[in-house]
Amino acid sequence: GENVEQHPSTLSVQEGDSAVIKCTYSDSASNYFPWYKQELGKRPQLIIDIRSNVGEKKDQRIAVTLNKTAKHFSLHITETQPEDSAVYFCAASRRGSTLGRLYFGRGTQLTVWP
Amino acid sequence: DAGVIQSPRHEVTEMGQEVTLRCKPISGHDYLFWYRQTMMRGLELLIYFNNNVPIDDSGMPEDRFSAKMPNASFSTLKIQPSEPRDSAVYFCASSPGLAGGSEQYFGPGTRLTVT
Repeated sequence: GENVEQHPSTLSVQEGDSAVIKCTYSDSASNYFPWYKQELGKRPQLIIDIRSNVGEKKDQRIAVTLNKTAKHFSLHITETQPEDSAVYFCAASRRGSTLGRLYFGRGTQLTVWP
Repeated sequence: DAGVIQSPRHEVTEMGQEVTLRCKPISGHDYLFWYRQTMMRGLELLIYFNNNVPIDDSGMPEDRFSAKMPNASFSTLKIQPSEPRDSAVYFCASSPGLAGGSEQYFGPGTRLTVT
């Protein structure tokens, strides 16, 4: 099955700086890559996703890039704010005629210091 | 819409007791997922259903765990007998599937403590 690795496990940045979280995957057939944010004591929530026919996607201060050849994808957060502090999970999935399961990375604890 | 509903929100039980966790997915969603989250193992998929049919239960730890989805609006995850290592937060999530965009909507979770 798919194996998703995520780095770093913890990341501390100063407010206003950028943060980058990287993930690799093993199954070349994976074609859908979502990112979920989980605040302390809350449920995971989708913040952005990308499909394998796209190299980059942006939504305000967050962006995701995908390199299919190298089998890695990254989350970029610019102008970080204290409310960005949370655990971020990357995931990979193979979507065909039906919805496949998500394989999650272990998560990155992001702390943004004011 | 109320979102995914899980009950109970917290459960404390003694080792050896039966535990039943409940989930009501978002109406119209075709997929339902059960996850377990711990510090040691992260977010693990236990089982998922499509149109009430179990598709992949390879993540179910052992025979002590069982899950059912008798209809489109209700699912249960049962642990019998429970053990201290089952202590975790259990999330249920639902998704509309490919046609609806594939996002998984998580419930608030059930925090299970087995003493």
